[in-house]
Amino acid sequence: EIVMTQSPATLSVSPGERATLSCRASQSVSSNLAWYQQKPGQAPRLLIYGASTRATGIPARFSGSGSGTEFTLTISSLQSEDFAVYYCQQYNNPFTFGPGTKVDIK
Amino acid sequence: EVQLVESGGGLVQPGGSLRLSCAASGFTFSSYWMSWVRQAPGKGLEWVANIKQDGSEKYYVDSVKGRFTISRDNAKNSLYLQMNSLRAEDTAVYYCAKVTIPDSWSGFDYWGQGTLVTVSS
Repeated sequence: EIVMTQSPATLSVSPGERATLSCRASQSVSSNLAWYQQKPGQAPRLLIYGASTRATGIPARFSGSGSGTEFTLTISSLQSEDFAVYYCQQYNNPFTFGPGTKVDIK
Repeated sequence: EVQLVESGGGLVQPGGSLRLSCAASGFTFSSYWMSWVRQAPGKGLEWVANIKQDGSEKYYVDSVKGRFTISRDNAKNSLYLQMNSLRAEDTAVYYCAKVTIPDSWSGFDYWGQGTLVTVSS
């Protein structure tokens, strides 16, 4: 089983600042990596798939990078609606999620 | 508009069974891998199972192998999860989810609202 880790567990950021979230896979997943945003009481929302492709309707301030075992989600300028929990997910063999990074207001 | 609507959750005793259903609409259901994902109260997301378009391939997380069975009926645009020998640790909101790209694994672009399964005596 491929184990996903995310860091940090919690990220405190001021509105307008840049946020950088990391995700690591225990073995290579190529570019088979997605990022999700989840707010309390809601289903997750797909942000990025293929490590760097924004899903339909996702603002350009969200960007993904990386391949193999190291991945990054960057939010260029945090808006109030971006404070949430973010999960990475590999879909190479077969599917596993990371434990999440909570982005909260500094 | 794509819609995924789960049903069938509820309270069940340990060792009991439950069958979840997911009614899909707004897309060509038979063209996509489908999955179940769960989230225990206050915890993160856990992928549970997925099934190929024609049902010929199925994959499960280790913790449910031999107890859960994923299936689909493309004529009814429906996805199912038969859950047997339920344990307290199966307590979670169960989501039905659709992959983004037809005939391929990818991120999940649509999710249902979730159905709560509680395993308790």
